[in-house]
Amino acid sequence: EAGVVQSPRYKIIEKKQPVAFWCNPISGHNTLYWYRQNLGQGPELLIRYENEEAVDDSQLPKDRFSAERLKGVDSTLKIQPAELGDSAVYLCASSILQGGMDEQYFGPGTRLTVT
Amino acid sequence: GENVEQHPSTLSVQEGDSAVIKCTYSDSASNYFPWYKQELGKRPQLIIDIRSNVGEKKDQRIAVTLNKTAKHFSLHITETQPEDSAVYFCAASLRSGYNKLIFGAGTRLAVHP
Repeated sequence: EAGVVQSPRYKIIEKKQPVAFWCNPISGHNTLYWYRQNLGQGPELLIRYENEEAVDDSQLPKDRFSAERLKGVDSTLKIQPAELGDSAVYLCASSILQGGMDEQYFGPGTRLTVT
Repeated sequence: GENVEQHPSTLSVQEGDSAVIKCTYSDSASNYFPWYKQELGKRPQLIIDIRSNVGEKKDQRIAVTLNKTAKHFSLHITETQPEDSAVYFCAASLRSGYNKLIFGAGTRLAVHP
């Protein structure tokens, strides 16, 4: 079974530039999460999708961050414009509720550096 | 909302020794507590989890204990090996409809041969 796929793995941009990250969840997983992981810290949830619906985006900085999951499968996370403080690893995860359990499987992440 | 604190931030042990990582949580309604292992530059991977209806769970060299009254849970690794070296994250969630995980800050474990 293929795991969660993310691209690119690394991205270096100058501040004020736009950037986009892509995630392909595990086949059949209807729930998709975007997390941000700052250096030396645990992941923090940015947004969660149930199929194509964003059901928890309370921690997404909506002035510069946006996300979409148009067909309920792949998802993109965009930052425009990027700021120095956005440098972090952006992790995508997916899950499916089975037998009362919904273990989250993480992708390898995209390491963003804003200069 | 939920807050998870994790200690220690770094842990260094000799191969074969045991390692213990502790976490506390604030929301007494939390009922699911997974532990993730993250090797350098790689994705977090679930290694063990526990639900609030049990006090202990074991999987080979790894065990987790939960004290609901004190609102803390711990990861125990016995007979540590160099390949156990990684950052370990605890998390807590209130499974009321979905699994919103609140993570601790992580513990960097180094196992020296």
